[in-house]
Amino acid sequence: AQKITQTQPGMFVQEKEAVTLDCTYDTSDPSYGLFWYKQPSSGEMIFLIYQGSYDQQNATEGRYSLNFQKARKSANLVISASQLGDSAMYFCAMRAINTGGFKTIFGAGTRLFVKA
Amino acid sequence: SQTIHQWPATLVQPVGSPLSLECTVEGTSNPNLYWYRQAAGRGLQLLFYSVGIGQISSEVPQNLSASRPQDRQFILSSKKLLLSDSGFYLCAWSDGTAQGRNQPQHFGDGTRLSIL
Repeated sequence: AQKITQTQPGMFVQEKEAVTLDCTYDTSDPSYGLFWYKQPSSGEMIFLIYQGSYDQQNATEGRYSLNFQKARKSANLVISASQLGDSAMYFCAMRAINTGGFKTIFGAGTRLFVKA
Repeated sequence: SQTIHQWPATLVQPVGSPLSLECTVEGTSNPNLYWYRQAAGRGLQLLFYSVGIGQISSEVPQNLSASRPQDRQFILSSKKLLLSDSGFYLCAWSDGTAQGRNQPQHFGDGTRLSIL
């Protein structure tokens, strides 16, 4: 069975500092994809970054990077130089390609508060 | 470009009444379609997903049902709503091709459903 765990209900970070949001996953499928989404208070879901299980390098997209530790089954999101607009809910998601098809499951989320 | 429309944005219904939420996608063919529910301040719970017309996978046994009468139309229904059905309902689509397995989902703006 697939499982996504985000153990930090809430996180605080000072503006302009970096922050790491934790995500661990569990699947027996060797082929899977990991996604991070941002959900502002408006409710929209914004895709941030993707990491494939066979990708050799950690994914990066602007100020977002994914710290992929395959042996530990973790896929932590790192946000550098935090901005006030980064305050939002952040969700980690996983899609197991061979066994799950296009089914995509989400973690419980982490609410990030950026302080001025 | 592809767009996803979900309506209504807000809905207030009495317990025991029926429900119909509609989601349509434009600009793509044979998308994978998803319904999620999000309780206040919580993660996304996958309710249904569909990889083609008439093909519905149910993830959570409950009094909700889903249908896909057309390629780009996904409907969430209930014959009798319960108080526990309150929440934020999100429709999403992803690329249904083999290459789309590594592509993110794209979400609608959501429906806030309150049951009285």
